Amino acid sequence: EDQVTQSPEALRLQEGESSSLNCSYTVSGLRGLFWYRQDPGKGPEFLFTLYSAGEEKEKERLKATLTKKESFLHITAPKPEDSATYLCAVQAASGTYKYIFGTGTRLKVLA
Amino acid sequence: DAGVTQSPTHLIKTRGQQVTLRCSPKSGHDTVSWYQQALGQGPQFIFQYYEEEERQRGNFPDRFSGHQFPNYSSELNVNALLLGDSALYLCASSSGDKNTEAFFGQGTRLTVV
Repeated sequence: EDQVTQSPEALRLQEGESSSLNCSYTVSGLRGLFWYRQDPGKGPEFLFTLYSAGEEKEKERLKATLTKKESFLHITAPKPEDSATYLCAVQAASGTYKYIFGTGTRLKVLA
Repeated sequence: DAGVTQSPTHLIKTRGQQVTLRCSPKSGHDTVSWYQQALGQGPQFIFQYYEEEERQRGNFPDRFSGHQFPNYSSELNVNALLLGDSALYLCASSSGDKNTEAFFGQGTRLTVV
């Protein structure tokens, strides 16, 4: 069964303290892996799409990487405004259109 | 670009009632997917509409139904509401003929009392 597991569930960082969030997945052929940011009570905001192992993408203080079994979201020198829940989702290649989401990592960055 | 818009933003319904939620996709997108997100959980796929037909359905009962209009906008209908249907309902739009990412609306918070 296709599955996504995110860790840690919650993370508290001091401003400027870099860290990484993990997304482990099992899927019958990967069409794409997606990272989203979600603020409380809001819809997910698209961050990155990764398609193949070895791919990396960057946006401001965020960098996403992908291997055959997991993806990492690296946060460099975070600021309080980076506080949010970060969601990882996968889409299988085998004729399916749905995204399978993990439960997210709740990030709190303290000033 | 208005992005994905959903209405209403909040809704309170009584158990047993019916509800209709609405979604307008991002400009240039022709595919609409609906997700249910319970508190503290990731979004769960309900179904996807493309070319006015349900293209794929998740593990949700028949009480959940939908529709897509010729202008690509979509509705989600839920009949015989249960307390457990209380959640954030998210609409996502994408382009059906390309391997593009989905963009989400701000969601509709449904509370069933």
